[in-house]
Amino acid sequence: EIVLRQSPGTLSLSPGERATLSCRASQSLTTSSLAWYQQKPGQAPRLLIFGALSRATGIPDRFSGSGSGTDFTLTISSLESEDFAVYYCQQYGDSPYTFGQGTKLEI
Amino acid sequence: QVHLVQSGAGVRKPGASVQLSCKTSGYAFTSFAVSWVRQAPGQGLEWMGWISGYSSAYAKTAQKFQGRVRLTTDTSTNTAYLDLRSLTSDDTAVYYCVRCNDILSGNCFFDYWGQGALVSVSS
Repeated sequence: EIVLRQSPGTLSLSPGERATLSCRASQSLTTSSLAWYQQKPGQAPRLLIFGALSRATGIPDRFSGSGSGTDFTLTISSLESEDFAVYYCQQYGDSPYTFGQGTKLEI
Repeated sequence: QVHLVQSGAGVRKPGASVQLSCKTSGYAFTSFAVSWVRQAPGQGLEWMGWISGYSSAYAKTAQKFQGRVRLTTDTSTNTAYLDLRSLTSDDTAVYYCVRCNDILSGNCFFDYWGQGALVSVSS
């Protein structure tokens, strides 16, 4: 089973700042099968990024994904108030499809 | 518009079973698959299993749930079902059905999510 470790656990920033979230896999994701999701309290997660760097439909371009192999990054270029949430990475290249433990982005 | 509407939430006793439904609309059911993901209170996300809308012969379940989970679909109503038996308190969670764009392997990200169904296991 591929284990995903996200860091930091909590990130405290202010609106307008840049956020950098990390996801490290225990094995190389050879097909860059990595996605990022945003979850707000009481809501279902929302797909942000797939294929490590492709934005999902309707996702603002301040969200970007990068990385390959075992190290992946989600960057939010300039935080808006609605971006404060929990973020999860997920690998979908090898069953079982696993998620990281999440990074809480707080004001 | 793509929608996944879930039902079947509620309280169950330990040892009981639960069936969750996921009625889909807005897309060709047989051209996609459905996965199930759960989230225990205050915890992260856990993938449970996947079933193709193309053919129920294409399905897989996380090893952790094998023997307790049954995944099925009804293509006449575009609905997917999750049956989970022998419930324990550890099964208390919100269960999500999610759309998956791979109908043959299950290797997919989740682009649309149901609203979630809370299952509480308590005596």
